[in-house]
Amino acid sequence: NAGVTQTPKFQVLKTGQSMTLQCAQDMNHNSMYWYRQDPGMGLRLIYYSASEGTTDKGEVPNGYNVSRLNKREFSLRLESAAPSQTSVYFCASVERGANYGYTFGSGTRLTVV
Amino acid sequence: QKEVEQDPGPLSVPEGAIVSLNCTYSNSAFQYFMWYRQYSRKGPELLMYTYSSGNKEDGRFTAQVDKSSKYISLFIRDSQPSDSATYLCAMSAEAAGNKLTFGGGTRVLVKP
Repeated sequence: NAGVTQTPKFQVLKTGQSMTLQCAQDMNHNSMYWYRQDPGMGLRLIYYSASEGTTDKGEVPNGYNVSRLNKREFSLRLESAAPSQTSVYFCASVERGANYGYTFGSGTRLTVV
Repeated sequence: QKEVEQDPGPLSVPEGAIVSLNCTYSNSAFQYFMWYRQYSRKGPELLMYTYSSGNKEDGRFTAQVDKSSKYISLFIRDSQPSDSATYLCAMSAEAAGNKLTFGGGTRVLVKP
């Protein structure tokens, strides 16, 4: 099925460890986003890529880095994980300039102990 | 203060009842208003969107936007147990590059 694929689905890290969350979409969308979801906070934007070759900070970028590898793939890296980064991470994509119609992946549940 | 406020619930209703959800916001630049539905352990999926003020109906769902009051609503008629989910409002403004700003979500439980 067409959509947004995230890997891994679950991960447990120790404080200070690093990891990369992977996201790939097959809808030929230009824009891709990384959000985190915490109880009662809704989804908060970490980083986004309006088009291949560009990335920008969102609302909560501290502690994260991103790479737009190509049009399909957008990865999120935690260089030194902290317990405050325990969250559910969602990747989304949309046609550039579109105001609605974002497609979300099924999420990565990350626990940092 | 959050830019978009949404009552977290949970909202528990009997099957067949009308579910009423709402969000308030502070940024007058928001032009596009969306409702997403999120089932447990799944990603959000777009339910409805509205541009500027007005009403929009899609089957059992009606979305309303009142820009003068900075208030949006979603009504679900003849609610079903399958409507049990978290509902998230989201908004965007062209001036901000159409990035979505979400409310905190309202959990809805429809009891058979």
